[in-house]
Amino acid sequence: SQTIHQWPATLVQPVGSPLSLECTVEGTSNPNLYWYRQAAGRGLQLLFYSVGIGQISSEVPQNLSASRPQDRQFILSSKKLLLSDSGFYLCAWSPLTGWQPQHFGDGTRLSIL
Amino acid sequence: AQTVTQSQPEMSVQEAETVTLSCTYDTSESDYYLFWYKQPPSRQMILVIRQEAYKQQNATENRFSVNFQKAAKSFSLKISDSQLGDAAMYFCAYRRGSSNTGKLIFGQGTTLQVKP
Repeated sequence: SQTIHQWPATLVQPVGSPLSLECTVEGTSNPNLYWYRQAAGRGLQLLFYSVGIGQISSEVPQNLSASRPQDRQFILSSKKLLLSDSGFYLCAWSPLTGWQPQHFGDGTRLSIL
Repeated sequence: AQTVTQSQPEMSVQEAETVTLSCTYDTSESDYYLFWYKQPPSRQMILVIRQEAYKQQNATENRFSVNFQKAAKSFSLKISDSQLGDAAMYFCAYRRGSSNTGKLIFGQGTTLQVKP
């Protein structure tokens, strides 16, 4: 069966520091991959998605970037974190073909001090 | 562009009672899929139920069922025999049938409180 791993679960970082959140999927090949951000009590905002290695689409301009160095690995990065980058970050995957729903990781709670 | 609207920011239900969460969407497509996700306080996103637009029959998963009204572009979620563990934020989501990206469009969410 397919599983998705996202880490770390919690992260506290100072303003101006770099960021790297990692997400990996097991048990499938060529998945679509997604990064979302969620403010407390709010909906999900799609940040990036990827349909293949090295293929990244950005949904909103921001201080963050994403990379997909391997088929089942998706990384969310920042060179210098802002206070506004605080939030809950979720990684998700879906099969490349078919109409299957997205499946989510457990999320990372990011606090910027 | 497609949009998904959940007009009820908060709902409450008594334990063992039935509650219906509303969702409407706007699309010009005829081929699409609809989903309900549950996000409990742990903040995991859990798929509750799915519906293919070409199916007239409403989807059912145990105590969860949907009322899919394609002409009205409505996709409500009914939770029967509500349990304390049903307390969560619920999100309605839309996916284009022809999409190769699998992107979902989410509603704003409805927070469900279950009273003992």
